[in-house]
Amino acid sequence: EAGVTQFPSHSVIEKGQTVTLRCDPISGHDNLYWYRRVMGKEIKFLLHFVKESKQDESGMPNNRFLAERTGGTYSTLKVQPAELEDSGVYFCASSSLRTSGRETQYFGPGTRLLVL
Amino acid sequence: KNQVEQSPQSLIILEGKNCTLQCNYTVSPFSNLRWYKQDTGRGPVSLTIMTFSENTKSNGRYTATLDADTKQSSLHITASQLSDSASYICVVSRYGNKLVFGAGTILRVKS
Repeated sequence: EAGVTQFPSHSVIEKGQTVTLRCDPISGHDNLYWYRRVMGKEIKFLLHFVKESKQDESGMPNNRFLAERTGGTYSTLKVQPAELEDSGVYFCASSSLRTSGRETQYFGPGTRLLVL
Repeated sequence: KNQVEQSPQSLIILEGKNCTLQCNYTVSPFSNLRWYKQDTGRGPVSLTIMTFSENTKSNGRYTATLDADTKQSSLHITASQLSDSASYICVVSRYGNKLVFGAGTILRVKS
């Protein structure tokens, strides 16, 4: 079974440009999460999809970030326009839909974004 | 404020030795506590998950403990191997499955 995949693995863009990150969750996982780790800091929650619906987007830093999950399969995270402070590693994770809250979140390898 | 503090920040040990990593948290409401291992260039991989009522959870040479009264957890690694070199992240889940991450402890195992 394939794990969570993310594309691209690395992206270097200039300030003001647009970048779109993609995440393909494990097949059948309804929960999809986006996280970010900026240099020297801990990983922080950005948002949570349940199927195609945004369950919680309280971690999104500002309106330059737009996440979508059309059809409830893969998700994209667009940053437009990118700023220097957006540099970091963006992780995607997925889990199956359960009510216990103990389900394991499986992480992708991350996309390393550098804004110059 | 919901926070997870880990210590030490980094650690170097000899292959075959044991080590213990610490985690203190102030997350509320508490749902469960997880330890993740993150190899360089990869995403975090779950090692253990413990709820409020669980004091100890093992996964091979990894043993996690939880004291919900003092809000402390530890991860003990027995008979370390070179492949244990990684970042170990303590993560506390709030109700609603919202994860709060520690900054991690970077472990290096030397031969």
